[in-house]
Amino acid sequence: TQLLEQSPQFLSIQEGENLTVYCNSSSVFSSLQWYRQEPGEGPVLLVTVVTGGEVKKLKRLTFQFGDARKDSSLHITAAQPGDTGLYLCAGDRTNAGKSTFGDGTTLTVKP
Amino acid sequence: NAGVTQTPKFRVLKTGQSMTLLCAQDMNHEYMYWYRQDPGMGLRLIHYSVGEGTTAKGEVPDGYNVSRLKKQNFLLGLESAAPSQTSVYFCATKGTGMNTEAFFGQGTRLTVV
Repeated sequence: TQLLEQSPQFLSIQEGENLTVYCNSSSVFSSLQWYRQEPGEGPVLLVTVVTGGEVKKLKRLTFQFGDARKDSSLHITAAQPGDTGLYLCAGDRTNAGKSTFGDGTTLTVKP
Repeated sequence: NAGVTQTPKFRVLKTGQSMTLLCAQDMNHEYMYWYRQDPGMGLRLIHYSVGEGTTAKGEVPDGYNVSRLKKQNFLLGLESAAPSQTSVYFCATKGTGMNTEAFFGQGTRLTVV
């Protein structure tokens, strides 16, 4: 059973376009994290969202945590080829000791 | 600081052979994890440890064993490798605070022929 569903699975866009990636669940999480992974490397944390309805911005990336803390979105404005990579969301539950990862969205930004 | 170091980075095994993957961390983190990553499947948790001397099963533990004899090391063993275990393996660590970040190693690419 996949607790975190990410969509779309693959996304190929032109440089300068905007995009949104979604991470959905029927479970409530105490926090949700977004990671970016480049080929041949391990995932690296982009942001952690904790409060329902929270919005965080990281340059051209905007992250939102749903009010019920069951879902999240990542919006990229004016995508650049350097944004290419695999984007993973991961949910934490209080005292669980482990995170649940989504299957990821593979983003390709063409120059 | 090296962070999280995985050894080896690449390995080819024949079916039925055994091997051990080593994860070493210098971050003094309590939690350590082993994941496997296959195309289109994201990260699946194999086993994890919440402290020295403790281990627990994740989503896909069959065919793997682990040990955490020292806080800084987490070993993943394959007793009898199968082609289905061809994958990229990632080790990760986390601190015990709320909502902490996971730090990943660079991965071990394992091929079982």
